Parts: sequence; structure tokens; C-alpha cells
Amino acid sequence: DTGVSQDPRHKITKRGQNVTFRCDPISEHNRLYWYRQTLGQGPEFLTYFQNEAQLEKSRLLSDRFSAERPKGSFSTLEIQRTEQGDSAMYLCASSLVWGSGDRTDTQYFGPGTRLTVL
Amino acid sequence: AQTVTQSQPEMSVQEAETVTLSCTYDTSESDYYLFWYKQPPSRQMILVIRQEAYKQQNATENRFSVNFQKAAKSFSLKISDSQLGDAAMYFCAYRSARGSQGNLIFGKGTKLSVKP
Repeated sequence: DTGVSQDPRHKITKRGQNVTFRCDPISEHNRLYWYRQTLGQGPEFLTYFQNEAQLEKSRLLSDRFSAERPKGSFSTLEIQRTEQGDSAMYLCASSLVWGSGDRTDTQYFGPGTRLTVL
Repeated sequence: AQTVTQSQPEMSVQEAETVTLSCTYDTSESDYYLFWYKQPPSRQMILVIRQEAYKQQNATENRFSVNFQKAAKSFSLKISDSQLGDAAMYFCAYRSARGSQGNLIFGKGTKLSVKP
């Protein structure tokens, strides 16, 4: 059983640099979510995909953030010109939705990528 | 906008005892889902239990059960026969049943400690 995987697990970067994270969902899951979690807080939604289509973006997702899921499998989240406020754990989750049956949408999370911006 | 509130930042329980974690939420929707997730120190979020709002029966998963009070917008988690491995952050989460809104809305979490 291969769950959701994320790479890298840890990333330290200097302010102003660009970073890219990768998420591999559970095989055949058609939905993929990105969340951000800061210390002492619950995860906050950033964006999600159904297959290749990016269906929703949070207002938290500034212009410096971009996410892709080009073939409906893995996804990347890029942060340009990182700021210290971007330091957080970035979580990916995936789920399988049957048709319009959102009632089956249970999200399974990956281990996260911890970003530290110096 | 929907919100989720967990009013207990930290809780402690003796091994083998029972503990209840509180969660309240605010929504104007009638159809939605509620979840409890566990995040151990390794930080991978694990689903503990889910509840569909249209179901009156409270969900149960082994030692974990919920008390879902729809009118009061309350969704507490009861852990029976607590084990050392239950020590973790517990997050309550809400998700709309509307197809266009798939994201989870989380509370701030409750840190549960289990004393041997």
C-alpha cells in the first residue's frame, strides 16, 4: 500500500529564492489537495485539483504560489520569491470521488514538506 | 463562511481511561461532513472518524466514537480505553457537501497527552 508521498520532507531556503514541492497521491485518486499548516494551527486550504483541472484556489494562494497537476497524477507546488512568512508545513492530500458523488471524498494526507525560509 | 472551534488546546488522560475532545462549528448549510483527524508527532495526518450530517446515528470506530449534536453544532470525540499511542494532536474538520467545495476546514487542534 503506497500512501500519499511528498518530496522533499524538509527544505531550507533563503528569502527570495524559489522552491518547488512535489506530491504523489494514492494511485488512482482523482482529487489532490494542498494545505499549509503553521505551528500551533490546523491546516489551511490552498488549492485542489480534480484530475488535471485546478478547481478551487484559496485567497491564501498569492500570486507567488502556483500549483500544477499536468497529467492528473503527481502535483507540484511552487513558491516564487519566498518570504519568511512562507515558513510552514505544506501538506498534500488525495481522495477518490466517484462521478459527482462527493459523499465518498475522504482525504488521505501525506507526511508534509516542512519549509524554512531564512 | 464556515468555522470550526476547538476550545481545548490541551487535554490529558490516564492510560485506560476515557477522554472527550470538544468541537463546535458554525455553518448555514444543512448537508456537510465532519471529521476527526489525528496527527502524531511524526505529523502525518490520519483519519480517525467521519460523520455525515444527514445521519442521526453517531459514528463509531472501535474505541473512538462521536457525539454529534446537529442543532447545537457540536461534534465531540470520545476515546475509550486510552492507549499511549493515542497521544497526538487531534483536529476536528468540516467539509461542505456542495460539489464545488471539496476542501476541509480545520480547527486549531487539541493536544492529547496519555499518562501511563
